[in-house]
Amino acid sequence: GDSVTQMEGPVTLSEEAFLTINCTYTATGYPSLFWYVQYPGEGLQLLLKATKADDKGSNKGFEATYRKETTSFHLEKGSVQVSDSAVYFCALSDRSNDYKLSFGAGTTVTVRA
Amino acid sequence: DGGITQSPKYLFRKEGQNVTLSCEQNLNHDAMYWYRQDPGQGLRLIYYSQIVNDFQKGDIAEGYSVSREKKESFPLTVTSAQKNPTAFYLCASSISAYNEQFFGPGTRLTVL
Repeated sequence: GDSVTQMEGPVTLSEEAFLTINCTYTATGYPSLFWYVQYPGEGLQLLLKATKADDKGSNKGFEATYRKETTSFHLEKGSVQVSDSAVYFCALSDRSNDYKLSFGAGTTVTVRA
Repeated sequence: DGGITQSPKYLFRKEGQNVTLSCEQNLNHDAMYWYRQDPGQGLRLIYYSQIVNDFQKGDIAEGYSVSREKKESFPLTVTSAQKNPTAFYLCASSISAYNEQFFGPGTRLTVL
C-alpha cells in the first residue's frame, strides 16, 4: 500500500539557516505529493503540491521537487524565520487508494532567533 | 468568508458518553473527511464522504459514526465504543476526491 516516510525530528535551527526535510514515498500508481504545515493548536494548511514527476511546488520561500527516480519530495527553504516554527507533514494521494491522503508522521521544526 | 469551521475548539466528556463533533464548510466542496491526530503521529483517516448521502470507512472507523445529509455538513459522533477517544480531531474538505484537501481548525476532545 501507499506510505510516506519523513525524517524524524525535532529539528532546531537558527534564523536564516537552510532547512531541508526529507520525504520519501511508496505508491503503486502515480501519486500527487503535498506538504502541509501545522502551527501550534491549529489545523493543517496546504503549503505546496506537485502532481507529476519533475514538477516543483513552491510557496512562501519553500520548495519541493517531485523526483520519481528516487521516490522523494524533499522540502527546502533557503533562509528560515522564527515564524516558520511548526510541524511539517508530507503526504500523497493516489488513484489506486481512492485518492485518500497518506501522511508521514510529521517533522517538528523550531527556529531560534 | 469561505472556509471550514469546527466547533467547539475544546470539548470535555465523561467516559461512556457519546459526543458529536461539528464540521461545516461553505466552499461548495463535494468531498469531506475526518482525521484523528495523536501526539507525535501523523493523521489517520476515520471516515470520508465523496458526495452527499454517501460515506466510507477510513483506516480507524471503529467506535465512530458519521452522516452526510447536507453537502456543507459532516458531523462525527465519537461513541462509547471508541476505546481511546482523547485526541485532536480534524475535518477537511476538497472540491472532489481528486483535489487537494483543506483543513478546519480542529477540535480537541478530552474524555475524563
